[in-house]
Amino acid sequence: GAGVSQSPRYKVAKRGRDVALRCDSISGHVTLYWYRQTLGQGSEVLTYSQSDAQRDKSGRPSGRFSAERPEKSVSTLKIQRTEQGDSAVYLCASSLDSPLGFSEQYFGPGTRLTVT
Amino acid sequence: QKEVEQNSGPLSVPEGAIASLNCTYSDRGSQSFFWYRQYSGKSPELIMSIYSNGDKEDGRFTAQLNKASQYVSLLIRDSQPSDSATYLCAVNLFSGGYNKLIFGAGTRLAVHP
Repeated sequence: GAGVSQSPRYKVAKRGRDVALRCDSISGHVTLYWYRQTLGQGSEVLTYSQSDAQRDKSGRPSGRFSAERPEKSVSTLKIQRTEQGDSAVYLCASSLDSPLGFSEQYFGPGTRLTVT
Repeated sequence: QKEVEQNSGPLSVPEGAIASLNCTYSDRGSQSFFWYRQYSGKSPELIMSIYSNGDKEDGRFTAQLNKASQYVSLLIRDSQPSDSATYLCAVNLFSGGYNKLIFGAGTRLAVHP
């Protein structure tokens, strides 16, 4: 079946602007996680977005990073007031389980963000 | 101390040999352990998951877990040049109210013909 997809694949933003990155999950998966991957710091989790039934619950915003769930299978990562240090690859990972579980996570292709 | 540690490599092995990748973790409460393979410019691809002590085999891959020693490893038998990639060890950690994966920095594997 279809895997995790992300858009756009590449994004250039001017410092100080807000950006929104989209992730489409695997059908039936409950939780979407957002990670940032850089050469120097490896991969770190930013937040998550959970949706089951008609509930939507997102992880606590991490500073300027927040996740929203505009549709059941879609998560949007919002980055406010971008900084040059935000330049990285943003990966979305989809999981069948809730954020309290331990299920495997499957990654999308990533969005490469460059802040100028 | 980092939560998940891996030797960055590169680990160079000849084609057909066994590649051994190691990972240690700091949180004794972790219950799920994963190995991801990442080719340059691509996203991580899940290749193995292991939840209990011992060995788990899948094709040419064997994952080994020792919770007492807080150690997880990945063996790749009959290594092929196509196995050349960065291998990421990931461990679950419950923190901040939710379960998340903590990644090691990755070990770069180079399989030469």
